[in-house]
Amino acid sequence: QVQLEQSGAEVRKPGASVKLSCKTSGYTFTSYYIHWVRQAPGQGLEWMGMLNPSGGNMMSAQKFKGRVTMTGDTSTTTVYMELSGLKSEDTAVYFCARGSLIVVIGGAMPDWGQGTLVTVSS
Amino acid sequence: QSALTQPRSVSGSPGQSVTVSCTGTSSDVGGYNSVSWYQHHPGKVPKLMIFDVNKRPSGVPDRFSGSKSGNTASLTISGLQAEDEADYYCCSYAGSYTFWVFGGGTKLTVL
Repeated sequence: QVQLEQSGAEVRKPGASVKLSCKTSGYTFTSYYIHWVRQAPGQGLEWMGMLNPSGGNMMSAQKFKGRVTMTGDTSTTTVYMELSGLKSEDTAVYFCARGSLIVVIGGAMPDWGQGTLVTVSS
Repeated sequence: QSALTQPRSVSGSPGQSVTVSCTGTSSDVGGYNSVSWYQHHPGKVPKLMIFDVNKRPSGVPDRFSGSKSGNTASLTISGLQAEDEADYYCCSYAGSYTFWVFGGGTKLTVL
């Protein structure tokens, strides 16, 4: 079955960067988008961006452009999301989620990782 | 402010039906049939309940249904059960510039 296993909790100081991982299994890695979605304390879900693991191209929300980098390693079927210039407002649980087939426009996110808590505090 | 507008809360008694609305624009909800709904119990992983406006993934009870009219999508839960109490989020594809947007979430309380 499809599984997405995320890395453990992180604590960073303001201005630092954090790189999270999402190890996937149970499907063809290069055939499906991987999304990153976050939820700050008391807030809703927020879409950050997505990666095409086949071509390596990333698409991100305008809010995160220039601050987020998503990459994939086909040898380990793992996706990474790095967020730089951290602020206290970036404190959140970060989820990776499998999206649609690369060839499909639209779709949904049927499979999710367990989430990684990132705390940004001085 | 979220791109898609949902009511902050809805409630209903066991056995009743409730509907959660999700209002966007012609650039997202109204422009594509890629509206999905997620159930999220706090501290858990979001669960896909509806995709492509009105399709249910395998394993989701048929008490959950989705629809869309114009720029507004809706999730209807019939025969409310205690375990349906959760936060519900709509999500829509929004084209090749914005890509994806979520609603602000609706807290469902089963009275």
